[in-house]
Amino acid sequence: SQQGEEDPQALSIQEGENATMNCSYKTSINNLQWYRQNSGRGLVHLILIRSNEREKHSGRLRVTLDTSKKSSSLLITASRAADTASYFCATDEAGYSTLTFGKGTMLLVSP
Amino acid sequence: KAGVTQTPRYLIKTRGQQVTLSCSPISGHRSVSWYQQTPGQGLQFLFEYFSETQRNKGNFPGRFSGRQFSNSRSEMNVSTLELGDSALYLCASSLEPLGQSNQPQHFGDGTRLSIL
Repeated sequence: SQQGEEDPQALSIQEGENATMNCSYKTSINNLQWYRQNSGRGLVHLILIRSNEREKHSGRLRVTLDTSKKSSSLLITASRAADTASYFCATDEAGYSTLTFGKGTMLLVSP
Repeated sequence: KAGVTQTPRYLIKTRGQQVTLSCSPISGHRSVSWYQQTPGQGLQFLFEYFSETQRNKGNFPGRFSGRQFSNSRSEMNVSTLELGDSALYLCASSLEPLGQSNQPQHFGDGTRLSIL
């Protein structure tokens, strides 16, 4: 199955700054999901955006989806040190019963 | 509501042995999926079970198998362990099967398997 690609692979910012991560994928999707993983732990679901939605918000998180470009972005506003983690996009691909993950973006937020 | 529980958290085995990992989904969730996470390959889908039936399987050899019980708890088994099987194995649950509803997956903290 196709795998999404996150960009950048790593991102280092200061507290209070915004962080933007991008995800590209290759096939038609039912939805796209963003997850966070702290070191050595499981994945925490952040936001799910359906293929017919263009933008979604949850607290300090904003996700956009452009199905014509097969891409999505995750914006974290006013970053905190506690946001330090790896962020993954995952696609629920139309016609497949799987969830396909990208390789993730490692975000470091310094105090 | 309790989250997804995976046991054990850490496991050390030697090549050639076999291992069984356990996953208890969130109460009421009937879909359980398994993933392997390694630094080189990232997160890869292993298989999904729903109502005790395997719905789909990723590109893994037959040494990787699983099952689901009537209470939705799931186990995965890896036989004839190889060094390359060292990984974090993650289990996730959801109410409905993958691809059939716009629902997120809820993950456990995983089992860290090390092969010596």
